[in-house]
Amino acid sequence: DVKVTQSSRYLVKRTGEKVFLECVQDMDHENMFWYRQDPGLGLRLIYFSYDVKMKEKGDIPEGYSVSREKKERFSLILESASTNQTSMYLCASRPGTNKNIQYFGAGTRLSVL
Amino acid sequence: QKEVEQDPGPLSVPEGAIVSLNCTYSNSAFQYFMWYRQYSRKGPELLMYTYSSGNKEDGRFTAQVDKSSKYISLFIRDSQPSDSATYLCAMSAIQGAQKLVFGQGTRLTINP
Repeated sequence: DVKVTQSSRYLVKRTGEKVFLECVQDMDHENMFWYRQDPGLGLRLIYFSYDVKMKEKGDIPEGYSVSREKKERFSLILESASTNQTSMYLCASRPGTNKNIQYFGAGTRLSVL
Repeated sequence: QKEVEQDPGPLSVPEGAIVSLNCTYSNSAFQYFMWYRQYSRKGPELLMYTYSSGNKEDGRFTAQVDKSSKYISLFIRDSQPSDSATYLCAMSAIQGAQKLVFGQGTRLTINP
């Protein structure tokens, strides 16, 4: 079974803090994704990566950055957390072959106070 | 207008009922369609995957695609309390698409 692991289930941070969300997958997938999920807005893509050290902006990259130094690990960074970044963050991975199916982690619920 | 529209619900039905969940979309290029199920405090998991128009059945679940109407449905027969979850539709135009377009999700509750 594909396993996508997000390091924290719940996080509480203060405004202005630098926040790291970590995601690790164990299936040697080339592609990894970060989404945020908000009520009424569904899943919105923040960033994705199709290879080590490669990244592409998604639909809502403002206020976020990412890092992919190893194939299995994809980090989402909030340089200076703000209250409007309070959300559920979901990491996903996908094989590099011609597939559309993405496999999700359990999510990190981040509260910025 | 959003590319994919999904009634957010919530939808509450008695156990054993047939449930119909729907998404409409505007991009006629979409031809790969997925349904994900997301339990509370969990990540989405793939439930059904279909290509182009037609029906696909898997146990109590049937996915239906009508490309001419730009409309997809997920039917759940003999619904169970364990089917209570949020259901998300997702779609793409090509295989290996870097981006999937998701609906907002429909929260479903099956009452015993």
